[in-house]
Amino acid sequence: QKEVEQNSGPLSVPEGAIASLNCTYSDRVSQSFFWYRQYSGKSPELIMSIYSNGDKEDGRFTAQLNKASQYVSLLIRDSQPSDSATYLCAVNPSNDYKLSFGAGTTVTVRA
Amino acid sequence: DADVTQTPRNRITKTGKRIMLECSQTKGHDRMYWYRQDPGLGLRLIYYSFDVKDINKGEISDGYSVSRQAQAKFSLSLESAIPNQTALYFCATSDPDGRDEQFFGPGTRLTVL
Repeated sequence: QKEVEQNSGPLSVPEGAIASLNCTYSDRVSQSFFWYRQYSGKSPELIMSIYSNGDKEDGRFTAQLNKASQYVSLLIRDSQPSDSATYLCAVNPSNDYKLSFGAGTTVTVRA
Repeated sequence: DADVTQTPRNRITKTGKRIMLECSQTKGHDRMYWYRQDPGLGLRLIYYSFDVKDINKGEISDGYSVSRQAQAKFSLSLESAIPNQTALYFCATSDPDGRDEQFFGPGTRLTVL
């Protein structure tokens, strides 16, 4: 089992809709969770960090964490064409200051 | 100016050649990382360093070596490049007090023929 798994996508959503991205992880002691956005040919950009169960909102982005279910998600509200990118879920397994990344979910927002 | 820089940005080389990729940062972070990214495989950790005297292998270190010349500089070498090392390479940094957040450089696209 991979340490971090994401829904494979690609995910296509109409402009203005909500994009929902899911991520599961295998290490129960993980304490730090991240979402990165990566445009084609560019480097990953950190968009959300979450450390406690529940929701964390930042602008149009909401991260949701459920440690009991080993599940973290990202919601993108009012999706815009500029949100079209690959979204990477990252987890710090075993709290050893390294990150494990999922393979990413590609989102396309169609006008 | 960018906080994390990588040179070169693109490199084409031949099998068997020795290649060095360089990373510099002005963020003042102690921790530095080298990743490679392949389509469908996500980011995989090659080496990481928590300070100048602390260097550790990641999950795919075979065929690679690193040097931490200073707090701000971390270089990755391919001793004898092979075609399956063709990939996008990223350097990243993090602050020990930054709750594990990592910040990435712009990447180096390496092609081994």
